[in-house]
Amino acid sequence: AQSVAQPEDQVNVAEGNPLTVKCTYSVSGNPYLFWYVQYPNRGLQFLLKYITGDNLVKGSYGFEAEFNKSQTSFHLKKPSALVSDSALYFCAVRDLYGGSQGNLIFGKGTKLSVKP
Amino acid sequence: DTAVSQTPKYLVTQMGNDKSIKCEQNLGHDTMYWYKQDSKKFLKIMFSYNNKELIINETVPNRFSPKSPDKAHLNLHINSLELGDSAVYFCASSQTQGGTDTQYFGPGTRLTVL
Repeated sequence: AQSVAQPEDQVNVAEGNPLTVKCTYSVSGNPYLFWYVQYPNRGLQFLLKYITGDNLVKGSYGFEAEFNKSQTSFHLKKPSALVSDSALYFCAVRDLYGGSQGNLIFGKGTKLSVKP
Repeated sequence: DTAVSQTPKYLVTQMGNDKSIKCEQNLGHDTMYWYKQDSKKFLKIMFSYNNKELIINETVPNRFSPKSPDKAHLNLHINSLELGDSAVYFCASSQTQGGTDTQYFGPGTRLTVL
C-alpha cells in the first residue's frame, strides 16, 4: 500500500533559523510527491511538488524540498524561518492505484511553530 | 476570483437530518474531489470525480453521495447525519488530463452534528 509518514507531530524553530519538516514515503514505482500548508481555520495551500527531474524542488514562500530516492524521503526545508510560517504542514503522495483521478494520500501533518 | 469555493462555511445540524455542501471551481479543471478532515487533522479522500469516472473510497458510508450538475460543481449530500460525521470537509479540483496533477483546495466546511 502507498503511504507517506511524517514522523514529527510538531517542530519548533526560532525565527531566522533554518527549518526542516520531514516526510518519508512508501510507493511502488515513481512517486508524485506534494507539500501543502494549512493555516488555522483555512484550506490547504499548495507549496510544491516533485514529479520528475531535479531532486531539489523550489516552491512558494521560499520553501524547497529535496527528493531522495535512496532514503525514500521528501523533506521540506526553508533557510530562514518566519513567525508567519507557523502552520500545519502536510506531505502527500499521489495514489497511483486510485484510478485516473490522482487522489492524494496525506501524511498526518506536522505542526510548525516558529518563535520570535 | 476565488478558485475553489464551498458553501456553507459552517453547518450545524441535528442527528438524522439530511444536508448538502456545495462546491464550485472556476479553474476549468476536469476533476473534483471531496476530503474529510477529522478532529485530529487527518485528511482522507472521500470521492474523486470527472466526467468519466467516480471513485469512491470504500470506507465512506453510502449515506454520503456526490452529485455533479456540471463540470464546475461537485456537491456533497449526506443523509441521516450521525455524530461521527462532524468534521471539516474540503473540496478540491485538479486538471488530470494533460494537466499538472496539482490539487487546489476550497476553504472547507465545518460540519457539526448535535
